[in-house]
Amino acid sequence: QQQVRQSPQSLTVWEGETAILNCSYEDSTFDYFPWYWQFPRESPALLIAIRPVSNKKEDGRFTIFFNKREKKLSLHITDSQPGDSATYFCAASSGSWQLIFGSGTQLTVMP
Amino acid sequence: GGIITQTPKFLIGQEGQKLTLKCQQNFNHDTMYWYRQDSGKGLRLIYYSITENDLQKGDLSEGYDASREKKSSFSLTVTSAQKNEMAVFLCASSIGTFSAETLYFGSGTRLTVL
Repeated sequence: QQQVRQSPQSLTVWEGETAILNCSYEDSTFDYFPWYWQFPRESPALLIAIRPVSNKKEDGRFTIFFNKREKKLSLHITDSQPGDSATYFCAASSGSWQLIFGSGTQLTVMP
Repeated sequence: GGIITQTPKFLIGQEGQKLTLKCQQNFNHDTMYWYRQDSGKGLRLIYYSITENDLQKGDLSEGYDASREKKSSFSLTVTSAQKNEMAVFLCASSIGTFSAETLYFGSGTRLTVL
């Protein structure tokens, strides 16, 4: 049973466009939602994270929108750059040490 | 800053073989993790440890053993390698005292079973 789902599996946008990556979850006790990005031949690294006390978290061109009622969140990347091309993982945790990852969205930004 | 070192970087084994992967961190983090990454399936948790000599099973623990004899090291054993198995095993550590916080990953061990 997949507790954290991501869509789409892959996404291609043009440079300058806004990329929208979606994530949904099932466990209502999840209270920490980080996004990790992974460049080819590298390891995942934390990009941005949100807790349900707020419904939006912004860091430069990266913004998480969170909808607790629908158990959904999305990562918006504005003014996408070719250097943003990577696989993005949504993850979730419920106050424990277990971090559950989604299967990832592979983003390609075309110049 | 710190670093997580995984050895070996590449591991080739035979079907049925017992294989051990090692991980060292110098962040002085309490919590360490082993994740398996298969193409198109994201990261799946095998084992984690919140302190020396502690072991907690993740969703993918069957077929694996783990050992945390020192705070700085965490090893993973594949008890019986499966033929044609290919995956990347990622070790991570976290400073989180009560829950998972930022995970810092090593560069991975790429396993191929012939």
